[in-house]
Amino acid sequence: KQEVTQIPAALSVPEGENLVLNCSFTDSAIYNLQWFRQDPGKGLTSLLLIQSSQREQTSGRLNASLDKSSGRSTLYIAASQPGDSATYLCAVRGAGSYQLTFGKGTKLSVIP
Amino acid sequence: DVKVTQSSRYLVKRTGEKVFLECVQDMDHENMFWYRQDPGLGLRLIYFSYDVKMKEKGDIPEGYSVSREKKERFSLILESASTNQTSMYLCASVSGTMQYFGPGTRLTVL
Repeated sequence: KQEVTQIPAALSVPEGENLVLNCSFTDSAIYNLQWFRQDPGKGLTSLLLIQSSQREQTSGRLNASLDKSSGRSTLYIAASQPGDSATYLCAVRGAGSYQLTFGKGTKLSVIP
Repeated sequence: DVKVTQSSRYLVKRTGEKVFLECVQDMDHENMFWYRQDPGLGLRLIYFSYDVKMKEKGDIPEGYSVSREKKERFSLILESASTNQTSMYLCASVSGTMQYFGPGTRLTVL
């Protein structure tokens, strides 16, 4: 059964710093990997989606990479801002399935 | 833009009540999902549906049922609400590769 782990569980950084969030998964037979953002008490907003054949995706200050063979993905946030404070969730979709398996998230706080 | 809406943002019910949570999507997606999210446990799949009148159990279906009479609407039903069903409930629909989520319903069972 797929398991997704996110490290660290919480992270606090000063504004302007570049940072990396980590996600690992146990079964490399994936269809894609998706990074979400969740603000307190709200739903999930999709940030980036990487297909299993891709190595990375970029959107603005966000860059997500995927190393399927080692079961790892990273989300890189450049020049962090207080508005980036949220919980970031990684989710993996298995090959031949529409189901997502989620990590428990990394709670990010960007200090002004 | 894809839009997934949920009938209530906040809901308070009493133990033993029958509870309906509604989810509607406007993009003609075939696949829809219900998750619950709890601190320390993350998101867990309750049920999903890949077509009208079709449903599949997820990881934690006990105490829940679902209904999908129309393609755009997927309902989660708590037949007899219990305090351990107090949670955030999130609905999602899938378009090809990407999952789109609704804003969530925070359910409290007293």
